[in-house]
Amino acid sequence: GQQVMQIPQYQHVQEGEDFTTYCNSSTTLSNIQWYKQRPGGHPVFLIQLVKSGEVKKQKRLTFQFGEAKKNSSLHITATQTTDVGTYFCAGLLRDAGNNRKLIWGLGTSLAVNP
Amino acid sequence: DARVTQTPRHKVTEMGQEVTMRCQPILGHNTVFWYRQTMMQGLELLAYFRNRAPLDDSGMPKDRFSAEMPDATLATLKIQPSEPRDSAVYFCASGFPDPRGGTDTQYFGPGTRLTVL
Repeated sequence: GQQVMQIPQYQHVQEGEDFTTYCNSSTTLSNIQWYKQRPGGHPVFLIQLVKSGEVKKQKRLTFQFGEAKKNSSLHITATQTTDVGTYFCAGLLRDAGNNRKLIWGLGTSLAVNP
Repeated sequence: DARVTQTPRHKVTEMGQEVTMRCQPILGHNTVFWYRQTMMQGLELLAYFRNRAPLDDSGMPKDRFSAEMPDATLATLKIQPSEPRDSAVYFCASGFPDPRGGTDTQYFGPGTRLTVL
């Protein structure tokens, strides 16, 4: 079925190192959202990308939407312990019946060593 | 600080029992989502409502699950009868349309952790 793949599944970094998670779809996405979930918590909205090639920044976080609108990335510069959590992407696509479906990736879990 | 509230936060029940989970969306939000999260399956969209009308419940096992919005301040998710494989964290989220025409921005509640023995 239609899937949104996220890689890597896990990432362990030293504090201060950079981190990137990627979200890939075989189908063109109408838009994509990113969420962060702290351990034991609930997903928290980070950003939504709508336009092809869009790049948005939030402090140390940089979000990109691919030109073909089939992939997206989240890059964190100089990670901090507060960045620990699971990062999810959720892409909106149209299924075979032309219905809009929000498909979630399985997330990338980030651990940061102080 | 407006938040989505969910009750109960934890529920332990025996197989075959009915389970009802409640959600109070943020006032003014017109979309409500129900999700189930497990380690194996990740976040699964079960159902969502816009202006209290069900728009999509294709992710929900119809034989035992039901979702309703009796009014704008309450959404319910019921499982009857419950089974051990229903054990998961159930999240409710409310949202409002993105001004650029994208997907609704979703605000998640704290979740209900359900254990079915």
